[in-house]
Amino acid sequence: DIQMTQSPSSLSASVGDTVTITCRTSQTISSYLNWYQVKAGTAPKLLIYDSMSLKSGVPARFSGRRSATTFTLTISSLQPEDFATYYCQQSFNMPWTFGQGTRVEI
Amino acid sequence: EVQLVQSGAELKKPGESLRISCYGSGNSFTNHWIAWVRQMPGKGLECLGIIHPEDSISVYSPSFQGQVTFSADESNSTAFLQWASLKDSDTGIYYCARVVVAMTTYDRVYYYGMDVWGQGTTVTVSS
Repeated sequence: DIQMTQSPSSLSASVGDTVTITCRTSQTISSYLNWYQVKAGTAPKLLIYDSMSLKSGVPARFSGRRSATTFTLTISSLQPEDFATYYCQQSFNMPWTFGQGTRVEI
Repeated sequence: EVQLVQSGAELKKPGESLRISCYGSGNSFTNHWIAWVRQMPGKGLECLGIIHPEDSISVYSPSFQGQVTFSADESNSTAFLQWASLKDSDTGIYYCARVVVAMTTYDRVYYYGMDVWGQGTTVTVSS
């Protein structure tokens, strides 16, 4: 299985801050890395696919980058509705695996 | 609008069987795969596997192979997740999600993320 190492596990930030979440994979997955936002009691929401493609309707303050097997999600100018848990996920090989999640708190 | 609507919460005893459903509106099944994802209480996300509703080809994650069964009724745009004998450890929220195909080569399919999600079905297994 492809191992996903996501960091940090949690972070505290303020409205207007820029935060970055990192996901490292145990082997190459090309660009098949996706990012999801999960709020308590609701289904996950796809933010970014193919490591840096923004899903239609997702605010442009969300961005993704790739460097080899290291992927990052950056949220610029954090908004109140962005406080949630974020997961990376590889869709290159089955079993598809997720990172452990990063909780973004106020 | 494309939507996935899942069946309601279930409370079952260990050893019982269960089938939950995922109905897709707005052509959500056509030319797509459907994934099943679990979130156990207080834990992260796990993918059980995927099914292609048009021909019911399924790919299971090894951890779930033999533990669950995927099926689909493509004519009614519905996918199913089934257990023959539930365990306490099956307790969790189960989501169906539509998978976006990136490209298909002669020997494999490449996938992007899961872009449309059902609202989740809570399964509680307790004696």
